[in-house]
Amino acid sequence: NAGVMQNPRHLVRRRGQEARLRCSPMKGHSHVYWYRQLPEEGLKFMVYLQKENIIDESGMPKERFSAEFPKEGPSILRIQQVVRGDSAAYFCASSPQTGSGELFFGEGSRLTVL
Amino acid sequence: QKEVEQDPGPLSVPEGAIVSLNCTYSNSAFQYFMWYRQYSRKGPELLMYTYSSGNKEDGRFTAQVDKSSKYISLFIRDSQPSDSATYLCAMSAPNTGNQFYFGTGTSLTVIP
Repeated sequence: NAGVMQNPRHLVRRRGQEARLRCSPMKGHSHVYWYRQLPEEGLKFMVYLQKENIIDESGMPKERFSAEFPKEGPSILRIQQVVRGDSAAYFCASSPQTGSGELFFGEGSRLTVL
Repeated sequence: QKEVEQDPGPLSVPEGAIVSLNCTYSNSAFQYFMWYRQYSRKGPELLMYTYSSGNKEDGRFTAQVDKSSKYISLFIRDSQPSDSATYLCAMSAPNTGNQFYFGTGTSLTVIP
């Protein structure tokens, strides 16, 4: 299966801990997006990255959240000092090229903050 | 005004019915239009992808785009219980930094 791979699928953290979510895009895709989805709500854009570059982070909270997509390895969304409000499903998506209009999603990582 | 508006439903239909799902948008620059299906606790799955105006058919699914009215639709014929899911519309425009704009989703239940 060459789909978008996310791990972990489920993550439980206590307040103040760090959460790291990983995403490997589809083979041949160089564009990665992170979205957050709260129960009964739509997908909220967080950040768009290409290899080694953050292209658009306008949806990312200014503090505690960071993202990277290194030359080698998966994209990582990092949340420091988690709070209960960070509990959500975090989805990664990838697209093959700029402006193609096609976006493919992973199964998501569900973060629960106790 | 939101970029994309979608009635959240919920929508409940009997098996075999024709389902019509719709979204409206405000940005006339949108050129790419997508419909996603999302089952509970799963990732969105790309169902239909349309460039610019017109219709596209794939099995029981038909996507329509009316750019003059800024209105897109997804029709599901002969609906099945397995079609029960949340359907999200999405759209994007060229040369806008690859931003994708999503509707909030319509929850559909097909009753056997």
